[in-house]
Amino acid sequence: QKEVEQDPGPLSVPEGAIVSLNCTYSNSAFQYFMWYRQYSRKGPELLMYTYSSGNKEDGRFTAQVDKSSKYISLFIRDSQPSDSATYLCAMSATGANSKLTFGKGITLSVRP
Amino acid sequence: NAGVTQTPKFQVLKTGQSMTLQCAQDMNHNSMYWYRQDPGMGLRLIYYSASEGTTDKGEVPNGYNVSRLNKREFSLRLESAAPSQTSVYFCASSQQGGGYGYTFGSGTRLTVV
Repeated sequence: QKEVEQDPGPLSVPEGAIVSLNCTYSNSAFQYFMWYRQYSRKGPELLMYTYSSGNKEDGRFTAQVDKSSKYISLFIRDSQPSDSATYLCAMSATGANSKLTFGKGITLSVRP
Repeated sequence: NAGVTQTPKFQVLKTGQSMTLQCAQDMNHNSMYWYRQDPGMGLRLIYYSASEGTTDKGEVPNGYNVSRLNKREFSLRLESAAPSQTSVYFCASSQQGGGYGYTFGSGTRLTVV
């Protein structure tokens, strides 16, 4: 079992839909949880950052962490064509020598 | 504010040629990383440098070498390029470790023919 599993996709939705992206993980030491967005032919950029469990909202984006289930989610409300990108989950334990562990990413296409 | 700068952006090599990918960050970050990204494989860590003066192997180090030249710069060298090294290469940096997240460069698209 890989440390981080992410639905492989791709995912195609109509404009205005609510999108749910998910990752599961096996390492109970993970404390920091992130979502990166990567547009075609660009580098990944940090979209959402959460420490430990709970929800975080930023505009149309909500990140949820359920440490008891080892499950994280990213919700996109009122999805727009500009949200079309690859989304990667990432997580890390604490400590100066920790490294991010990434999911493989899911490609989202929002149809006008 | 440049962030992480990678050069070159594109490169075509013949099998057996060598080249160095350059990476520089201006955020005073301690840690730097080199990844490759291939379709269906996600990001795979090649080498990383937790701090100036240290380097360590990642998941796929074979065929690569790195140099942490100073706190700002971290280069990746392919000594004898192979077609299997055709990929998109990303450099990233972080304040210290994974807990703060990484800042990525825009990538180098490398084709080995």
